[in-house]
Amino acid sequence: NAGVTQTPKFQVLKTGQSMTLQCAQDMNHNSMYWYRQDPGMGLRLIYYSASEGTTDKGEVPNGYNVSRLNKREFSLRLESAAPSQTSVYFCASGGLRNQPQHFGDGTRLSIL
Amino acid sequence: DAKTTQPNSMESNEEEPVHLPCNHSTISGTDYIHWYRQLPSQGPEYVIHGLTSNVNNRMASLAIAEDRKSSTLILHRATLRDAAVYYCILPSGNTPLVFGKGTRLSVIA
Repeated sequence: NAGVTQTPKFQVLKTGQSMTLQCAQDMNHNSMYWYRQDPGMGLRLIYYSASEGTTDKGEVPNGYNVSRLNKREFSLRLESAAPSQTSVYFCASGGLRNQPQHFGDGTRLSIL
Repeated sequence: DAKTTQPNSMESNEEEPVHLPCNHSTISGTDYIHWYRQLPSQGPEYVIHGLTSNVNNRMASLAIAEDRKSSTLILHRATLRDAAVYYCILPSGNTPLVFGKGTRLSVIA
């Protein structure tokens, strides 16, 4: 029972490099999300997709793009990584209309 | 999401019950009360949710005040593994969940 799967688990980038974080869910949820969590801080929403074919900005979308590839997959792209984007990135699914929200284990991203 | 207020931190002894409070005085009649927790170095996980009646599951119990302006998450017997940040959230329709600062629970052996 995989739930929400994120890849990679860890990544180190140099400033200016690009990278795509992958997320897949097997719970047939319509909605999917990307959050970031800086050390000692709370979760902040980057982008979300309420259903296949739609995406919306969250609280901190600058510097990121997303693609809802199909119902299962929602990717997050950093086009030109900056040190300020060093964080742990969590993907989640579900959570609308009082559905419980399920999270992946996170991607720990360091940008030098 | 309607605003919730939680203590920043709480401490409990192992194997004792823990009562984690949440105030939500602006709750509307259709708002559910959700609780999540985040263990160290992990993503948040769903714990329990309810509307008016008290709720129980294998992880915890949720006690909801009669006026619904407050609720309490009850861990019946805290273990070291329950040390986490606990979030009380009132989801709003079709908008994404907003995670506040939560309550950091420490469990002492």
